[in-house]
Amino acid sequence: GQQVMQIPQYQHVQEGEDFTTYCNSSTTLSNIQWYKQRPGGHPVFLIQLVKSGEVKKQKRLTFQFGEAKKNSSLHITATQTTDVGTYFCAGHGGADGLTFGKGTHLIIQP
Amino acid sequence: NAGVMQNPRHLVRRRGQEARLRCSPMKGHSHVYWYRQLPEEGLKFMVYLQKENIIDESGMPKERFSAEFPKEGPSILRIQQVVRGDSAAYFCASATSRAYEQYFGPGTRLTVT
Repeated sequence: GQQVMQIPQYQHVQEGEDFTTYCNSSTTLSNIQWYKQRPGGHPVFLIQLVKSGEVKKQKRLTFQFGEAKKNSSLHITATQTTDVGTYFCAGHGGADGLTFGKGTHLIIQP
Repeated sequence: NAGVMQNPRHLVRRRGQEARLRCSPMKGHSHVYWYRQLPEEGLKFMVYLQKENIIDESGMPKERFSAEFPKEGPSILRIQQVVRGDSAAYFCASATSRAYEQYFGPGTRLTVT
């Protein structure tokens, strides 16, 4: 079945440093979505990428979808304490449910 | 417009009892998904339903677990004869269409003692 892998599992950064998480799928995806989950909270939708090579920005967040539509990345510039949480990528492949990666836990040290 | 609602938020069951988890999707959403999350883990897809139909249940254990989304009322995830390994957070999400973004409820934290 489809597998979605994310690295790193944990990332410690100093406040103000940049952060990147990477997502790789074992199969080609029709689209990829990114979610953020705060500690004790529920996943919140951030963005969806559909086109090969697509790049989208939301303030300090930059999302990319690979040319082969099998990988994606999320980059945060100049992290802030409000960025703390777990970032998940999720792909739509052949099945109807989203396949989630295990997430990257972002820990920020002031 | 109310978001996705789940109840109860916390549920404690003894081994062998039944657990019923309820999910009311956002208004206008006819697609409902159920996920299970273990501590420090990602979300594992369980089942995808539309009104009165199970579309994909490939992620749901074949025994003890069932889900429904009736014409009227919330979607229900039912776990019979719970075991300790069923302890997890169960999230429901709804969407307007299959490939669109999903809106998650606050989850039900199930603890089996």
